[in-house]
Amino acid sequence: AQTVTQSQPEMSVQEAETVTLSCTYDTSENNYYLFWYKQPPSRQMILVIRQEAYKQQNATENRFSVNFQKAAKSFSLKISDSQLGDTAMYFCAFTKAAGNKLTFGGGTRVLVKP
Amino acid sequence: ETGVTQTPRHLVMGMTNKKSLKCEQHLGHNAMYWYKQSAKKPLELMFVYNFKEQTENNSVPSRFSPECPNSSHLFLHLHTLQPEDSALYLCASSLGLAGGPDTGELFFGEGSRLTVL
Repeated sequence: AQTVTQSQPEMSVQEAETVTLSCTYDTSENNYYLFWYKQPPSRQMILVIRQEAYKQQNATENRFSVNFQKAAKSFSLKISDSQLGDTAMYFCAFTKAAGNKLTFGGGTRVLVKP
Repeated sequence: ETGVTQTPRHLVMGMTNKKSLKCEQHLGHNAMYWYKQSAKKPLELMFVYNFKEQTENNSVPSRFSPECPNSSHLFLHLHTLQPEDSALYLCASSLGLAGGPDTGELFFGEGSRLTVL
């Protein structure tokens, strides 16, 4: 079974600064996908960024980037130039490439302070 | 309407009541999911449906009964719940296992906040 661990329950960051969220996972699979989802206080979960395990290049989406270390089974998210709208719960998630069942971490609450 | 819509957004029920949660997706997806989100716990997958067929039941108690009449609609029927069942219930959809690549991305509704008294 796959497990996903987010060791930081809560983090705060000043507006315009950078924050990095950690995520580690455990799997015996070789092909899989990793995700970061954002859940703002309004509750709808939305996808922030996605990484295919077979790609060595780290995914980036505007101010969001990941550091994917396959051997270490680590998948951290960096939020650059933090904005007030980035305040939310962030969930790391894993799925096998041939499956459609996501396993989520416990989440990290990010608070962006003005 | 777009995306995934869940109703009701809030529900309060007694332990002897019968109620249902509804989910509808307008994305043309073939897979639908129920997740339970409790405070201080990771999201728990409850059920998965692919092309209206249940493909996953994650050891969910029988007081939760899912129904998927078609690929666009998903229900969660609730009966004789316990206070510990109070949580946010999230519905999601994805492309589904259609013999082709599924990116694995889920699209979520806003959830139904359930309180069991």
